[in-house]
Amino acid sequence: EAGVTQFPSHSVIEKGQTVTLRCDPISGHDNLYWYRRVMGKEIKFLLHFVKESKQDESGMPNNRFLAERTGGTYSTLKVQPAELEDSGVYFCASSQGSFGYTFGSGTRLTVV
Amino acid sequence: AQTVTQSQPEMSVQEAETVTLSCTYDTSESDYYLFWYKQPPSRQMILVIRQEAYKQQNATENRFSVNFQKAAKSFSLKISDSQLGDAAMYFCAYTHSNSGYALNFGKGTSLLVTP
Repeated sequence: EAGVTQFPSHSVIEKGQTVTLRCDPISGHDNLYWYRRVMGKEIKFLLHFVKESKQDESGMPNNRFLAERTGGTYSTLKVQPAELEDSGVYFCASSQGSFGYTFGSGTRLTVV
Repeated sequence: AQTVTQSQPEMSVQEAETVTLSCTYDTSESDYYLFWYKQPPSRQMILVIRQEAYKQQNATENRFSVNFQKAAKSFSLKISDSQLGDAAMYFCAYTHSNSGYALNFGKGTSLLVTP
């Protein structure tokens, strides 16, 4: 089966610009999670979708971040406007049931 | 709040030798799950091993095993007969149903395997 796909794999944008990251989960996985790792720090939870609904968005840093999950399928994470501290690797993971995650390869975002 | 601590930023092991990576966590829950993930340079997070807190028996997956000490809140990973392909970043993670099974990660341990 296809795994979790994230794109782009890399993105370099200027401060103040907008970037949209996309995650395609494994087909049939109701749970979709976004995580972020800032260089040298822990991987931090951002939010959790169950199908198209946001189950928990307590990890979202601020209102510059907007996540959506269209029809319970793919998800996007938009950063607008991007700031320098938003740089990091953004991971997406999906699961069916309580856990049993499959992670994507991540998107490395660099804000300059 | 649950925290996961990995006190070893870097570890090194010779090929064919054994290495142990440390992880401690803090929780007030009695039923939870612990994981070790491996992240090679390709960035794909790969599940190495999983432990359910209600199980007393330590989980084992081929060359990988854990030493789960529930009272001490310790969850170390032992890699036996280390191989060059084991070189990666290793993350310890915790989850519980209260968090919707979102993972709480440690900072990671970078493992170098030398020939």
